[in-house]
Amino acid sequence: EVQLVESGGGLVKPGGSLRLSCTASGFTFSRFSMNWVRQAPRKGLEWVSSVSSTSTYIYYADSVKGRFTISRDNAKYSLYLEMNNLRAEDTAVYYCARGHSSAWYIFDSWGQGTLVTVSS
Amino acid sequence: SYVLTQPPSVSVAPGETARVTCGGDNIGSKRVHWYQQKSGQAPALVIYYDTDRPSGIPERISGANSGNTATLTISRVEAGDEADYYCQVLGGINVHPVFGGGTRLTVL
Repeated sequence: EVQLVESGGGLVKPGGSLRLSCTASGFTFSRFSMNWVRQAPRKGLEWVSSVSSTSTYIYYADSVKGRFTISRDNAKYSLYLEMNNLRAEDTAVYYCARGHSSAWYIFDSWGQGTLVTVSS
Repeated sequence: SYVLTQPPSVSVAPGETARVTCGGDNIGSKRVHWYQQKSGQAPALVIYYDTDRPSGIPERISGANSGNTATLTISRVEAGDEADYYCQVLGGINVHPVFGGGTRLTVL
C-alpha cells in the first residue's frame, strides 16, 4: 500500500523559513516523480512544485519560484520542500503527492498533509 | 494562465445522476483529470486522461471531455459521494498543472 507522510509544518512569522518532509513507503520511490500541492484554508487546490524521479527536471509555480526549493533523497525515500521568505498567503495545508507512472502531472496518491501557518 | 471554471455547488438526491462540469478554452484538446476530496481528507484521483478510472474507483463514476467542457458524471449517487470535486489539466504558458476551483457535491 502506498503511504506518504508529511511533516515539518507549523507556525512561522512572515519572512521566516520552514522545511517540509515527506516520507514514502509501499512503492519504489526512485521510479516516480513527486509533487507538492497546497490548499489554503477553505480554498481549492494549488500545485506548488514537482521533481522528476532522478531530480533532472524541477518545476515551480510562479507564486513560489525563487522562494521555495524542492528536493528528494531516493535512498531515504524522502521528498522535501524548503520554504523561505514565507508570506501570509503561503498559509495552507501542504500535500505530498506521487506522480502517475505515465505523467508527472497526474497525482495518483496523496499524503494527509501538514499545515503551515504564516502569521505574526 | 489557463483557467478552469467549475460551478461552486451541485446538489442531487440519492440514486440520481450528478454531473460536475469543468469549463476551459478548448478543453477538449487537453487531457482532464478529476479528484475527489471528502471532508477532512486528502484528495484522491478518481478519473484521469478524461475517462480512465484508477483501480478501486466504481464504474458509476465516469468522465467525458469535448469542446469547451469536461464533465464528471456520478450515476446512482450515494451519500458517500458527498465531497468536493476538482478538475485538473496541464496548461498555461508555463505548461504547469492547473486546478479548477472545485465543486461541492451535496447529496440531499
